[in-house]
Amino acid sequence: NAGVTQTPKFRILKIGQSMTLQCTQDMNHNYMYWYRQDPGMGLKLIYYSVGAGITDKGEVPNGYNVSRSTTEDFPLRLELAAPSQTSVYFCASNAQGNEKLFFGSGTQLSVL
Amino acid sequence: DQQVKQNSPSLSVQEGRISILNCDYTNSMFDYFLWYKKYPAEGPTFLISISSIKDKNEDGRFTVFLNKSAKHLSLHIVPSQPGDSAVYFCAASAPGNTDKLIFGTGTRLQVFP
Repeated sequence: NAGVTQTPKFRILKIGQSMTLQCTQDMNHNYMYWYRQDPGMGLKLIYYSVGAGITDKGEVPNGYNVSRSTTEDFPLRLELAAPSQTSVYFCASNAQGNEKLFFGSGTQLSVL
Repeated sequence: DQQVKQNSPSLSVQEGRISILNCDYTNSMFDYFLWYKKYPAEGPTFLISISSIKDKNEDGRFTVFLNKSAKHLSLHIVPSQPGDSAVYFCAASAPGNTDKLIFGTGTRLQVFP
């Protein structure tokens, strides 16, 4: 029962580098989400997807891109890493938008 | 503009006593509220929810109360246990935006023996 799996767990990037945070879920959920959590703050929605081929911006999408080619996978791309993107990133999924979210264990990203 | 507020960053409670975590919201359109619990180095996990048509929902040791007129909800944990030590987030959504949860900043609960 893997649920939502995120990789990597930790990463350090230099300013201007790019990387992809991977997220996969095995619950056949239609909805998937990316959140970031900054110290002392709540989770902020970056992007979300209501199904394969459909993505939409959340509250803080600038500097990020996503794709949803399959139901299972929802990668988050950082093209030009900036120190402001230092955060903990959580991927989540649910079957429908008004149901409880299942979260991955997070990726701690530092941009130096 | 913080639409969901948890004004107490931390709370310390003795084992066996009641823990009360509070959450205030500003958007009167919110109609669904959830509480999530988060341990260090883990993702949040769902704890309990309440719809705006109710004013109370109970699940074992956990009860959520909703006061719509005051735009306030609270989570009661009775009795508190050391394993309840975690960060608790409240979250809310509005009709038509059920896929966009708005989270509070969290309250760190410590339950000591």
